[in-house]
Amino acid sequence: AQSVTQLDSQVPVFEEAPVELRCNYSSSVSVYLFWYVQYPNQGLQLLLKYLSGSTLVESINGFEAEFNKSQTSFHLRKPSVHISDTAEYFCAVRLQTGANNLFFGTGTRLTVIP
Amino acid sequence: GAGVSQTPSNKVTEKGKYVELRCDPISGHTALYWYRQSLGQGPEFLIYFQGTGAADDSGLPNDRFFAVRPEGSVSTLKIQRTERGDSAVYLCASSILGGNGELFFGEGSRLTVL
Repeated sequence: AQSVTQLDSQVPVFEEAPVELRCNYSSSVSVYLFWYVQYPNQGLQLLLKYLSGSTLVESINGFEAEFNKSQTSFHLRKPSVHISDTAEYFCAVRLQTGANNLFFGTGTRLTVIP
Repeated sequence: GAGVSQTPSNKVTEKGKYVELRCDPISGHTALYWYRQSLGQGPEFLIYFQGTGAADDSGLPNDRFFAVRPEGSVSTLKIQRTERGDSAVYLCASSILGGNGELFFGEGSRLTVL
């Protein structure tokens, strides 16, 4: 079985400050890793993903995440947040074989304070 | 539209009633997923369709829940004898079969059972 743990349910941060949203996973088989974002009143959107290759992946809006196999982590970071980054962030895993089904964490609500 | 469309966006019903939630996936996406998101939780997998058939329905909580996709496109999630605990946002997602695992989500149908 696989599971995803997001220890921080809420993260308030001041504008232009750095932020890290933590994600740890557990799986007996190899997985792919994803971060999805849900802006207020919108559906879930893919932010970034790790499938293979470089363990550091980046999004177009300045977020990055690093796959750490030994620590089974995929933490999301941004060096300087903007008001528009206020949203709910979900970490998810998918088995490398089988269906495309995703298993989600409970989410972290990021609130950027002006 | 080009995205995943879900109707209704909001549904309020009384305990014991029957409800149907509809999902119109992105054209050409052969895989379709239903998730349920309760307050403060991440999306929880319900069922996955590959074409017209349910490839994995292990997430359906009990036999009051049923989903169909008769023509391999639109899907309907059906809930019989609704209970207050069924109140949640029901999310639909679609993807290209065998793709990179990116699921495209609709905005969800919020079900409230009084």
